[in-house]
Amino acid sequence: EAGVAQSPRYKIIEKRQSVAFWCNPISGHATLYWYQQILGQGPKLLIQFQNNGVVDDSQLPKDRFSAERLKGVDSTLKIQPAKLEDSAVYLCASKGSGDTIYFGEGSWLTVV
Amino acid sequence: GNSVTQMEGPVTLSEEAFLTINCTYTATGYPSLFWYVQYPGEGLQLLLKATKADDKGSNKGFEATYRKETTSFHLEKGSVQVSDSAVYFCALRTQGGSEKLVFGKGTKLTVNP
Repeated sequence: EAGVAQSPRYKIIEKRQSVAFWCNPISGHATLYWYQQILGQGPKLLIQFQNNGVVDDSQLPKDRFSAERLKGVDSTLKIQPAKLEDSAVYLCASKGSGDTIYFGEGSWLTVV
Repeated sequence: GNSVTQMEGPVTLSEEAFLTINCTYTATGYPSLFWYVQYPGEGLQLLLKATKADDKGSNKGFEATYRKETTSFHLEKGSVQVSDSAVYFCALRTQGGSEKLVFGKGTKLTVNP
């Protein structure tokens, strides 16, 4: 079974530029999450989708971050404009009908 | 609100030493509890889980018991290996609602030969 796929793995951008991350969850998984993991901290939920609807985006900085999951499968997370404090690993995860949440390898963002 | 507190790292051990990483939680209701591991340069992998009080999760020689009375889920391994060097995250997930994972800050473990 293929895992959660993310791209790009690494990205370096200048502050005020924009960046987009893509996620393809495990086939058949209705729930998709985006987490932000800042160095030295635990992952923090940014947004959760159930199919193509948003379940929880309470910690998403909506002035600069946006996410979509138009067809209920793939998802894109965008940051515009980026700030230095956005440097982090962006983890996508998915869950099916079972109990376990599966994570991708992450997209590592450095803002300079 | 829901939160997880892990012991501060980093932890450095010699091979074959006994490992304990403490984890306590605060939650409404009865959460499921998890330990995730993150090897250098990789994503999070589920290590073990427990879904109700007194359950013991185990995997790869690691164990953790869900203790409702002390709201704890300490991770233990009797004999660590160099390959266990990683960052370990304790997490909870509440039932119902958004069912999101809430993570602790992580504990970095280094095992020396």
